[in-house]
Amino acid sequence: AQSVAQPEDQVNVAEGNPLTVKCTYSVSGNPYLFWYVQYPNRGLQFLLKYITGDNLVKGSYGFEAEFNKSQTSFHLKKPSALVSDSALYFCAVRAIPTSGSARQLTFGSGTQLTVLP
Amino acid sequence: KAGVTQTPRYLIKTRGQQVTLSCSPISGHRSVSWYQQTPGQGLQFLFEYFSETQRNKGNFPGRFSGRQFSNSRSEMNVSTLELGDSALYLCASSLGGGRTTDTQYFGPGTRLTVL
Repeated sequence: AQSVAQPEDQVNVAEGNPLTVKCTYSVSGNPYLFWYVQYPNRGLQFLLKYITGDNLVKGSYGFEAEFNKSQTSFHLKKPSALVSDSALYFCAVRAIPTSGSARQLTFGSGTQLTVLP
Repeated sequence: KAGVTQTPRYLIKTRGQQVTLSCSPISGHRSVSWYQQTPGQGLQFLFEYFSETQRNKGNFPGRFSGRQFSNSRSEMNVSTLELGDSALYLCASSLGGGRTTDTQYFGPGTRLTVL
C-alpha cells in the first residue's frame, strides 16, 4: 500500500520569506511524487513532479521540491513567498511498478499555506 | 489547448435521488480518473477509465459508477444519494496508456450538495 503524510495542517509565513511545505511518503519500491495546489472553489493545479534523476525538481510559479530517498520526503519549497501563494497544497504519490490499484494517485491530507503581508 | 471541463459546476439534490456528472478530458488524453473530496476524508480515488474500460476502482459502494465514451469523455453516476455524498467531485485526465509517469490534470470540479 502507498501513503502520504503532510504533518502540518497549516503553515504561516511572512511575504518575502522562504516557505517549506512538508511531505513524507511510503511506497513499495520507487515512487513518483507530485505536488498540486488548490485555490478556493477550484480544482487541483499541477505544480511539479519527481520521476527520476536530479533530486531537486523545479516547477511552476517559482516552486521547487527536494526528493530525499533516505528520509522518504518530498518537501515543497519557494525562496520568497507571495501573498498570492496562499492556498491548499497537496502532495501525492504513485508507486513503481504500477498495475491495477497501484496506478492511482494517493494524496496527503493537504496543508493550508497562508502568506501574511 | 483547453483544460479539463466538468459539468455542471454545482448541483443540489435530495436524498434518494440519483445524479450524473460529466467530464471532458484534455484533447488527446485517454485516461480519466474521478476523485471525491470532502473536508473529513480528503481526496479519495473513485475510479479510472481508459479506452472505455474501467481500469481501476477505489473503495466506494456500488452506488458509485462511471463510464467512458469513445471520445474519452466520461460520466459518473451516483444512485440513491445519501447526505454523506455531499462533496466536490474532481475529474482528472492524463495521456494514459502504459505511462505511469503521466501527470493528471484536474478539472474545476462539481460541487454536489445532498439535502
